[in-house]
Amino acid sequence: GPKVLQIPSHQIIDMGQMVTLNCDPVSNHLYFYWYKQILGQQMEFLVNFYNGKVMEKSKLFKDQFSVERPDGSYFTLKIQPTALEDSAVYFCASSRDSLNQDTQYFGPGTRLLVL
Amino acid sequence: QQKVQQSPESLIVPEGAMTSLNCTFSDSASQYFAWYRQHSGKAPKALMSIFSNGEKEEGRFTIHLNKASLHFSLHIRDSQPSDSALYLCAVSMRPGTGSNRLTFGKGTKFSLIP
Repeated sequence: GPKVLQIPSHQIIDMGQMVTLNCDPVSNHLYFYWYKQILGQQMEFLVNFYNGKVMEKSKLFKDQFSVERPDGSYFTLKIQPTALEDSAVYFCASSRDSLNQDTQYFGPGTRLLVL
Repeated sequence: QQKVQQSPESLIVPEGAMTSLNCTFSDSASQYFAWYRQHSGKAPKALMSIFSNGEKEEGRFTIHLNKASLHFSLHIRDSQPSDSALYLCAVSMRPGTGSNRLTFGKGTKFSLIP
């Protein structure tokens, strides 16, 4: 089936530094998402992105977070500066459209540890 | 704020068994209901989804939705070793508006007796 790739699979970073998480979505998909999962808790929606714009974001999407997809390359989540509470697994997802609640396809996640 | 809860937390069954996983949600305006399966260290993979009250069957899996009870379930028939995984239920409020965020449960860890 369709595959979403995420790079890197693991990242360890010092608090206060910047980190960029990369997502390679399914090739003909137009909607992109980030979800965050803290250890032992459920996966939670962060943001969705379409046509170069943030469509919706949750309260977890702090001012230190930003997303972009320049020129059809990776869809990225940047955190600057990082904080200890940003340690989590970040899942990227993509879907073809949203009109009919098209299936969201997920990547395997990037495990981020902030020290 | 939407709350999604799954039961049981874990389930161990013999191969060939039939079993049910449950999901409750809090917001009666929810429109879309889905099950995902996640093997350890892998991406969550969509299994089945449903919009309207009733049942939908695909192979050994059946999804059942009762909106009035704020409940939907996944039934697995003839359990196989490859079914061992974490099962996540997900709910969306309002598809078709450009916003289809999924709210997930914590998951049910499903295993077969070795």
